[in-house]
Amino acid sequence: AQSVAQPEDQVNVAEGNPLTVKCTYSVSGNPYLFWYVQYPNRGLQFLLKYITGDNLVKGSYGFEAEFNKSQTSFHLKKPSALVSDSALYFCAVRDENNFNKFYFGSGTKLNVKP
Amino acid sequence: EAGVAQSPRYKIIEKRQSVAFWCNPISGHATLYWYQQILGQGPKLLIQFQNNGVVDDSQLPKDRFSAERLKGVDSTLKIQPAKLEDSAVYLCASSRNKRTLAFRETQYFGPGTRLLVL
Repeated sequence: AQSVAQPEDQVNVAEGNPLTVKCTYSVSGNPYLFWYVQYPNRGLQFLLKYITGDNLVKGSYGFEAEFNKSQTSFHLKKPSALVSDSALYFCAVRDENNFNKFYFGSGTKLNVKP
Repeated sequence: EAGVAQSPRYKIIEKRQSVAFWCNPISGHATLYWYQQILGQGPKLLIQFQNNGVVDDSQLPKDRFSAERLKGVDSTLKIQPAKLEDSAVYLCASSRNKRTLAFRETQYFGPGTRLLVL
């Protein structure tokens, strides 16, 4: 079965410092990976996705993610965190062999302190 | 383009009452999803429609939950009767999902309906 794991419930970082939010995946076929962000009382907003090609994917709001096949990871990164980046981040994998269903991780709360 | 619309945004009911949620996907999006997001957890898929047909409802508690998408556009999700454990945010999402390369398509979410069952 397809799954993603977000090993950290919470990540704390100071404004201006680089941030990393971790995600590992398990798929039986090709990995199609997504990152979403959720602000309080809002739905999930798409940040970026990896389908094929370059291992470094660039997305919205200065975020990027690095696909690492050998480590089955898709960590979200940003060179310089902003207080406004504080939110809940979800990693997801798409199962092309099962109606293209999405499987979401449990989420990581990012706290960026001034 | 307009995003995914959902209503109501908030709903408070007592257990054993019924409730319905409405979703209007992005225009032209063939696939519509309903998710349940319990506080502190990631979204869990309840049901997935392709046009007006059900693709996957394996995690829908069919004894109390029902959903329809009669004309292949907007959709309603109903809970009858509600239980305390149904308190959650119900998210609707849509994607284009063309027949080929559907795995490339991004899923877009509505703002959600926050349900509290007392």
